[in-house]
Order: sequence, then C-alpha cells, then structure tokens
Amino acid sequence: EIVLTQSPTTMAASPGEKVTITCRASSSVSYMHWFQQKSGTSPKPWIYDTSKLASGVPDRFSGSGSGTSYSLTISSMEAEDAATYYCLQRSSYPWTFGGGTKLELK
Amino acid sequence: QVQLKESGPGLVQPSQTLSLTCTVSGFSLTSYNVHWVRQPTGKGLEWMGVIWTGGSTDYNSALKSRLSISRDTSKSQVFLKMNSLQTEDIATYYCARGRRFDYWGQGVMVTVSS
Repeated sequence: EIVLTQSPTTMAASPGEKVTITCRASSSVSYMHWFQQKSGTSPKPWIYDTSKLASGVPDRFSGSGSGTSYSLTISSMEAEDAATYYCLQRSSYPWTFGGGTKLELK
Repeated sequence: QVQLKESGPGLVQPSQTLSLTCTVSGFSLTSYNVHWVRQPTGKGLEWMGVIWTGGSTDYNSALKSRLSISRDTSKSQVFLKMNSLQTEDIATYYCARGRRFDYWGQGVMVTVSS
C-alpha cells in the first residue's frame, strides 16, 4: 500500500499569504489528485492529474510535483480557502488518501 | 443533473452486516464507475472500493474479506455490504462518481452500537 503523508497537518495563513501543502508518497506515483473539504460537507474535487484545476476552482490554486513529492499551492490566501485538503493517489491499489491538511484563516 | 444519494440504516449492531445503497441520477452506471469512501468523524478519508462500468469490482485489501459492492443498473443503484461491523467502522460513508470523484453524495452516518 502506498502511504501518503501530508504536511503540515494544520496551518493558518493570513489573507494574501502564499500557502503550500505537500504530499509525499511512500512509493512513486504517476499523478496526484487533491480534494477540498469544508466542515460538514462532502469532499470536492480540486486538482486532478497533478496540476489540472477542477471546474470552478480559482486560478490562485496550482498543483505540481512528480514521483514521490507533490504540492498544492495557493498564490494568495483568501477566506474561502479555509478548509481541509486531501491528496489521493490512483497509481496503485488500494487507492489511498493522505491524512489531510487543515488550513485556517489567520 | 448529476446526483448521488446514499441511504441505509444509521445504526448497526456489532458483528452485524451494514447494507447501504447509492442511488444515482443524471448518468448511467454503465458509463461511470462508482466508488465508496468512508470517513470516521474528525478523521481522514479511506477509499473502500469501486464498481467499474463493466460490473467488475476492486476493493481495499484491508476490507476485502468483509466488503462486497454490487449494482442494479436498471434501478441506477450501487450497493455496499460489509459484514462483521465493529466500532472501528463508525464513519460517514460516501459514494462518488468516476475516476475523478467528480460528484459525491451527501454521505450517510453509520454508528455501530448495541
């Protein structure tokens, strides 16, 4: 099983601040996918195939990475970005999620 | 529009079997696969398994001995059955569409208690 480790697990950012969330895989994966989840709601697809934004996702978000290291970046934090973000790998069964990064507004 | 909705009992007795239904609309089960994902309260997401468009399935190896996913395409329903439920199985259970998980149900909370 490929284990995905996200860092940090929790963070707070001020409006306008740049944010980077990292997802490290225990083995190389082809792509990484990201989801956003707000409290009490279902996860939403956010970034797929490492760097492609899902429909409706603001372009201040970006994704990058390869092999065992991937990241989600917010160029300028906004209040609506406060949420928990999860990475997902589909390269190997079982598909696995990272433990999540809770992003709060400072 | 595309919708998925999970349904099933919110309370299951220990060692009993959980049966959930995911009713979909706005797309065909022969065109999109459907996944089951669960989330213990306050914790992360766990991929449970998938039923592919052709009807074959893949499961999380950690759950494979207890889990079964099936479907009725005529009713646009996907079924999850998991036996020998324990307190570790307390979670919100979601169904989600496609390889990109582009649509999710609202989730159903399942508690295990006698």
